[in-house]
Amino acid sequence: EDKVVQSPLSLVVHEGDTVTLNCSYEVTNFRSLLWYKQEKKAPTFLFMLTSSGIEKKSGRLSSILDKKELFSILNITATQTGDSAVYLCAVEETGTASKLTFGTGTRLQVTL
Amino acid sequence: DVKVTQSSRYLVKRTGEKVFLECVQDMDHENMFWYRQDPGLGLRLIYFSYDVKMKEKGDIPEGYSVSREKKERFSLILESASTNQTSMYLCATSGQGARSGYTFGSGTRLTVV
Repeated sequence: EDKVVQSPLSLVVHEGDTVTLNCSYEVTNFRSLLWYKQEKKAPTFLFMLTSSGIEKKSGRLSSILDKKELFSILNITATQTGDSAVYLCAVEETGTASKLTFGTGTRLQVTL
Repeated sequence: DVKVTQSSRYLVKRTGEKVFLECVQDMDHENMFWYRQDPGLGLRLIYFSYDVKMKEKGDIPEGYSVSREKKERFSLILESASTNQTSMYLCATSGQGARSGYTFGSGTRLTVV
């Protein structure tokens, strides 16, 4: 059975800290790994990773994929209270409709 | 921007009622999905569709059915609502070869009493 595991489940940090969120996966027909941020409503897209070792970066957020060890990390530097959210990792399979298998998420709280 | 619209933000239904959740997208995407999200369990796929009138079961289809009569609309049907179907329901879409993953609707929080 396909599986996506995120750690830690939750995290509380102070503003300005750097955090690393982890995602490991076991998926039969891997196509890509995606990260989403979810505040109160729908998840919003952050990154899509398909190749090992190539860092994707957007502002203070960055992510990298290791297809040999089957994991990805999401880094957030100089955290702000607006980064407080649930961060979801998902793996896309090949085949029809590109369905995603999600992890349970990491709840990040950034305090002043 | 792709717009994915779910018809209701909050819904309260009685046990045994037939419930329809509607999802409409405006970007001509082939693929549409219904997930439910529960604390500690994450998002779990109920059903998906990759074309009009085509549907496939996801990981937890029991108690649900779907309908896709038009490309832009994907409906989730709870034939006889039960309290264990109380959840947040999220619709999502993606185009063929999309390189930015899914676009989600805002979700429908369904409570079955």
